[in-house]
Amino acid sequence: SQTIHQWPATLVQPVGSPLSLECTVEGTSNPNLYWYRQAAGRGLQLLFYSVGIGQISSEVPQNLSASRPQDRQFILSSKKLLLSDSGFYLCAWSVLRGEQYFGPGTRLTVT
Amino acid sequence: AQSVTQLGSHVSVSEGALVLLRCNYSSSVPPYLFWYVQYPNQGLQLLLKYTSAATLVKGINGFEAEFKKSETSFHLTKPSAHMSDAAEYFCAVSEQGGSEKLVFGKGTKLTVNP
Repeated sequence: SQTIHQWPATLVQPVGSPLSLECTVEGTSNPNLYWYRQAAGRGLQLLFYSVGIGQISSEVPQNLSASRPQDRQFILSSKKLLLSDSGFYLCAWSVLRGEQYFGPGTRLTVT
Repeated sequence: AQSVTQLGSHVSVSEGALVLLRCNYSSSVPPYLFWYVQYPNQGLQLLLKYTSAATLVKGINGFEAEFKKSETSFHLTKPSAHMSDAAEYFCAVSEQGGSEKLVFGKGTKLTVNP
């Protein structure tokens, strides 16, 4: 069966510090991968998605970047965090159009 | 462009009462439709999906949803609410044969009162 992992589960970082969140999927090959952010009261915002290694589509211009160095690994990064980067970050995967499966999330607090 | 509207950001029901969460979508092509549930500080879990087969779709935990093309709706129901149903529910749409992306509604937070 397929599983998706995200780490860390929680993170508190000062403004201006770098960020690296990691997502890995097991039990499937060549998945589509997604990064979402949930800010309080603002629903789900798609940040990036990837249909293959090295292929990243950015949905919203912002302070973040994403990379996919391996088939089942998706990394969300920032060089300098802003207060507005606080939120709950969710990784998801799919192999069928539309149907996505989500990881447990990372709660990021920027202080 | 596709869009999803969830009517009511908060819904409150009594334990044992009917749960009805509303979702209307806009899509220029036949859609796939989904309902997800999110418990506090957890990821989203797929409840059920419509992919152009039966219009009445049954999901996990006793939930079901009916696709009504004429009303562009995909409302989620459960005959009898349980305390464990308290969570946030998201409706989502994607294009059949189209984008790999989902468009989500803003979510409805369900409270179940004893």
